[in-house]
Amino acid sequence: EAGVVQSPRYKIIEKKQPVAFWCNPISGHNTLYWYRQNLGQGPELLIRYENEEAVDDSQLPKDRFSAERLKGVDSTLKIQPAELGDSAVYLCASSRGKVGGELFFGEGSRLTVL
Amino acid sequence: QKEVEQDPGPLSVPEGAIVSLNCTYSNSAFQYFMWYRQYSRKGPELLMYTYSSGNKEDGRFTAQVDKSSKYISLFIRDSQPSDSATYLCAIHKGRNDMRFGAGTRLTVKP
Repeated sequence: EAGVVQSPRYKIIEKKQPVAFWCNPISGHNTLYWYRQNLGQGPELLIRYENEEAVDDSQLPKDRFSAERLKGVDSTLKIQPAELGDSAVYLCASSRGKVGGELFFGEGSRLTVL
Repeated sequence: QKEVEQDPGPLSVPEGAIVSLNCTYSNSAFQYFMWYRQYSRKGPELLMYTYSSGNKEDGRFTAQVDKSSKYISLFIRDSQPSDSATYLCAIHKGRNDMRFGAGTRLTVKP
């Protein structure tokens, strides 16, 4: 079974530039998560999807961040414009959506904003 | 107050030592508790999973939940250099809502 796939693994951009991250979850997983992990900290939830619906986006900075999950499979997270403080690892995870179920993570997309 | 608090360390121990990692959480209604392990430049992977109170053992690893104190622990016996990683405690708030602690960075020295 293929794991969660994220791309790109690394991205370096200058501030005010746009950037996009892509995630392909495990087949059959209806719940998809985007987390942001700052250096030396734990993952912080940005947005959670159940199928196509964003059910929790309360921590997503909506002035510059956007996300979509078309057809309830792949997802894209976009930042426009990027700021220096956006430098972090962006983790995508998926799960079957069962009570207490395990989250499966991708390897993350490491963003550096100069 | 954060929903789950974890001392970020770092923690450095000699090979063979017993390691104790701890977290506290804020809401006594939480029932599902996990420990994830994250190697450098990798995504977190589930290590241990506990429902409600009590202990759960898996090889050299023991997860413990004390709901009266809202305290969760992970013990590693006979620690190995390969155990060097960041350990994240996590709680399930509801059906699909997972929140993580800050993570404790562990180094096991040969």
